[in-house]
Amino acid sequence: QQKVQQSPESLSVPEGGMASLNCTSSDRNFQYFWWYRQHSGEGPKALMSIFSDGDKKEGRFTAHLNKASLHVSLHIRDSQPSDSALYFCAANSGTYQRFGTGTKLQVVP
Amino acid sequence: NSKVIQTPRYLVKGQGQKAKMRCIPEKGHPVVFWYQQNKNNEFKFLINFQNQEVLQQIDMTEKRFSAECPSNSPCSLEIQSSEAGDSALYLCASNLGDEQYFGPGTRLTVL
Repeated sequence: QQKVQQSPESLSVPEGGMASLNCTSSDRNFQYFWWYRQHSGEGPKALMSIFSDGDKKEGRFTAHLNKASLHVSLHIRDSQPSDSALYFCAANSGTYQRFGTGTKLQVVP
Repeated sequence: NSKVIQTPRYLVKGQGQKAKMRCIPEKGHPVVFWYQQNKNNEFKFLINFQNQEVLQQIDMTEKRFSAECPSNSPCSLEIQSSEAGDSALYLCASNLGDEQYFGPGTRLTVL
């Protein structure tokens, strides 16, 4: 079965630091990736999508996509305690999204 | 902020009981998805609708699960005979274009 793997499983960064999350899809039919954030007790919220090779920046968040390796990363600069959450990537193949395994980010004050 | 409404937020059922949850998608969003998120935070796609018609559903939903999305009424997901393995967070999402907007989920516990 096609998989979307994320690493690391969990990550702790100091407040103000950089958090880097990784995601790799085994589905070559994907059209684009989404990054989602899920705070405890809430549903996921979309952060940003990326479908072109290279970087895409939105505020403190930068996504990087390498289509050849089906790898996407999310970098959060100046991390804040409110960024502490579960982060999911999702590979969208046009029919439906396949979610990754998730990375739990903790930002320590 | 997402305006997808899900009720109830928490649902407790005994094994063999019916479990029904509802979702009101964001106004104007034509596509509605149901996902199951288990205790390991893994997502499983269950079913999706476009304008009240089923687009796709997995095998699991063809057996004990049923869902509908009638016009002018909330969408619903019902488990006919709940099993312990059905305990999970059930998430409803609606799409505008390619972005999904999720509700807060219904947490089902099957005792």
